Amino acid sequence: NAGVTQTPKFRVLKTGQSMTLLCAQDMNHEYMYWYRQDPGMGLRLIHYSVGEGTTAKGEVPDGYNVSRLKKQNFLLGLESAAPSQTSVYFCASSYSRTKKTDTQYFGPGTRLTVL
Amino acid sequence: EDKVVQSPLSLVVHEGDTVTLNCSYEVTNFRSLLWYKQEKKAPTFLFMLTSSGIEKKSGRLSSILDKKELFSILNITATQTGDSAVYLCAGGANFGNEKLTFGTGTRLTIIP
Repeated sequence: NAGVTQTPKFRVLKTGQSMTLLCAQDMNHEYMYWYRQDPGMGLRLIHYSVGEGTTAKGEVPDGYNVSRLKKQNFLLGLESAAPSQTSVYFCASSYSRTKKTDTQYFGPGTRLTVL
Repeated sequence: EDKVVQSPLSLVVHEGDTVTLNCSYEVTNFRSLLWYKQEKKAPTFLFMLTSSGIEKKSGRLSSILDKKELFSILNITATQTGDSAVYLCAGGANFGNEKLTFGTGTRLTIIP
């Protein structure tokens, strides 16, 4: 099992450019999440999904869009990147709450710099 | 709004010392408290606690939850340099709120 994987690992963008971050999991998890982590701010939830075809906003959704067309994949898009979006982005996945566990498993992260 | 607060923000101790990390929470319809360890990469899961007063233990690490006082502690005994990391705690709520609320973490540094 690869667990949770993220592509790419690093990226540098110019202001106004767009990009998509890909998250994939092979654990058959129902839930998937996108977080950003900035110094002193901890992990902040951007968007999440509780199943294929469904998404919901988290704490800091502005400037991002997501899609969950397949159960194993969760895409995070930046339509017009801004320097404030410079961050480390983590994807995570978990079983649904019906499995009585809340444990989220994290990918290795994507370090994004917007110039 | 749900909130998780960790203290101290950072801690520097010598190898062999015992440390206690604190996590207090305000989570509506609270269900679970989770601890993660984060070195220079993704957070890795340590413990999930759902019941008050029952200690969970893994080697030199242990954790306990107090649902009356709304806090949890993570203890690390006989610390080693490999314990240097940021320790995150997060609160989970009952079904209908599928998110975890994370604290900002405690940065632990172990000096050889």
